[in-house]
Amino acid sequence: EVQLVESGGGLVQPGRSLRLSCTGSGFSFGDYDMSWFRQAPGKGLEWVGFIRRRAYGGTSEYAASVKGRFSISRDDSKNIAYLQMNSLKTEDTAVYYCTRTRVVRWFDPWGQGTLVTVSS
Amino acid sequence: QSVLTQPPSVSAAPGQKVTISCSGSSSNIGKNYVSWYQHLPGTAPKLLIYENNKRPSGIPDRFSGSKSATSATLGITGLQTGDEADFYCGTWDSSLSAVVFGGGTKLTVL
Repeated sequence: EVQLVESGGGLVQPGRSLRLSCTGSGFSFGDYDMSWFRQAPGKGLEWVGFIRRRAYGGTSEYAASVKGRFSISRDDSKNIAYLQMNSLKTEDTAVYYCTRTRVVRWFDPWGQGTLVTVSS
Repeated sequence: QSVLTQPPSVSAAPGQKVTISCSGSSSNIGKNYVSWYQHLPGTAPKLLIYENNKRPSGIPDRFSGSKSATSATLGITGLQTGDEADFYCGTWDSSLSAVVFGGGTKLTVL
């Protein structure tokens, strides 16, 4: 079974950093691009960014709202994708989901999500 | 304000059909594939339709997708109470170099 599990969420103060992890299983992790989304309270799904598979350069793209503060990396030997979040703001409070993708044509499956709360 | 526009809500009776629209522009829907997702808050979103009109294995044929110019539509027939959820359309925007999603449509099965 293809599965993604996020971890690392929690309560963090504004201006601080947090790193989320997404562990994949049941598929060849290195053959896929990986993406992060979030859903703030009462809002819809918002794309955060994605990282291409190594065969396509392993480069990443980000939403304007997080560019320069967030970065995505991957460790294919451990089947893990990371979301490094720096200079966190209260508006970054959300449930963060990771998902598998191919050239961002589709996103499947999605993890259960991990809650990040930015508050003093 | 989302780049893709969806109606905030739709409703229909059990057994009926409903359609959810997704309106974009030439830089997103007009030149890229559209996908659709079903999401119950607190759970993992689920892929329903990819590449405009294809269904992943396990998704019943009650769900269908179509695209015309800069708009896409999700159709659901034989509505069931278990279909109640939020539905999102998404695609790549070539001008923004970003994935864009609609604001979501809440389906109520009366």
